[in-house]
Formats: sequence, C-alpha cells, structure tokens
Amino acid sequence: AAGVIQSPRHLIKEKRETATLKCYPIPRHDTVYWYQQGPGQDPQFLISFYEKMQSDKGSIPDRFSAQQFSDYHSELNMSSLELGDSALYFCASSLGPRLAGGPFIQYFGAGTRLSVL
Amino acid sequence: QKEVEQNSGPLSVPEGAIASLNCTYSDRGSQSFFWYRQYSGKSPELIMSIYSNGDKEDGRFTAQLNKASQYVSLLIRDSQPSDSATYLCAAIHGSSNTGKLIFGQGTTLQVKP
Repeated sequence: AAGVIQSPRHLIKEKRETATLKCYPIPRHDTVYWYQQGPGQDPQFLISFYEKMQSDKGSIPDRFSAQQFSDYHSELNMSSLELGDSALYFCASSLGPRLAGGPFIQYFGAGTRLSVL
Repeated sequence: QKEVEQNSGPLSVPEGAIASLNCTYSDRGSQSFFWYRQYSGKSPELIMSIYSNGDKEDGRFTAQLNKASQYVSLLIRDSQPSDSATYLCAAIHGSSNTGKLIFGQGTTLQVKP
C-alpha cells in the first residue's frame, strides 16, 4: 500500500538559509499534519491542513509557513534557519473527518532530517 | 507537566516475557489514544488505536484504556529483540476537531535475548 512520501530525506543548510520540505499524503487522504522532533524529544505538532485549508496550528515559528495544494501535497517552508531548527520533520496524513468520533488515524512519512550548520 | 505522561525507561525485559508500557493523560475529554513504535532515527509506526474503555487485542499487542483513571497501557506478549524501540503514547485532545496528536515523551523498551 502507498505510504506518505516525504522529500528530501536529508537536508543540510547554513544558518539564515531557507528550506522547503515536501509531503505527499496517502492517496485519498485529505488531511496533512506536520510534526517536529528534536533529538531525544517527542514529536511536537506544528500545523495541519484539511482540504487545502489550515485546520490547526501548534508551536510553529513565524519563520515557518506551510500550505496544502490542490493535489493534497503539502510543503513546509522554513526561512532564516537557526541552529535550533535542526530536527526530524515528519508529515502524517489521515482520512478526515469529521464523523462524530472519527478516529483521525495518522500515518507518518519517513521524515526529513534537517541539519542547520 | 506534560498532557501525556510516560515513564521514559528504559524498560528491560527478557525475550519471551510480557512488556507492560503505561501512559497517563491529563485532559479528561480526550477520546482517542494511539500507541506508536519508533526505532531510532525512524518515523513513528502505528501499533494500536483505542477509543473505548477496556481491552483491544491485535496479535501480540493489547491496548487497555481506563478513562476514569485517565490511563492507557500497552502489553506486548512474547517480547522479541526486534520489539526494542521507543513506544510513544499519543492522545487527541478532547477539544480538538482536527486530530492533532499530543505525544508523551516515549518509553524505551529493551528486549534482551
């Protein structure tokens, strides 16, 4: 079965540079979530999109922006990169919603490892 | 205090034993709970989901939910060395209609041959 596809898998950037991470959800999934996982930490929710509209926002820096396109893929744009942005970035997708009690089961992509030097 | 709490471990069990992983949550309105397995440097892999009080079994895995005690657990029977990983407990906040996951800090499981 098709899974969530993320690209690139690895990214090395210098401070103050920009980065774009891409996510292709499981076919027919209409909801995309982005999470950031620092070393030794649990994944932290950044932002989500449902049907190409932002549906929720977490602890995402103002330097970051994201969108979901008509084909449901999503991109996370990161500007003015800082050393602290070095982390694993995961995209997850689910088939939404929004039936009462809908499970929102999320499946994760392999992630993008971002290293800021 | 984190909304979802786990003992970070490591939890060490011998091969073939039952591993018991525990998780508590603070939002009484949370309705959906998930266990993910994560190998080092890899992505979280869904193991179990549970929404109702009681037990849910899938192969060697059993998830248990007690909403009155705000407690979720995962039992792994016949533990194998390949089960050695970090197990993340996650919940969807009761007020969320978007499904964002709140994770615990994860419990590291070591299964010794």
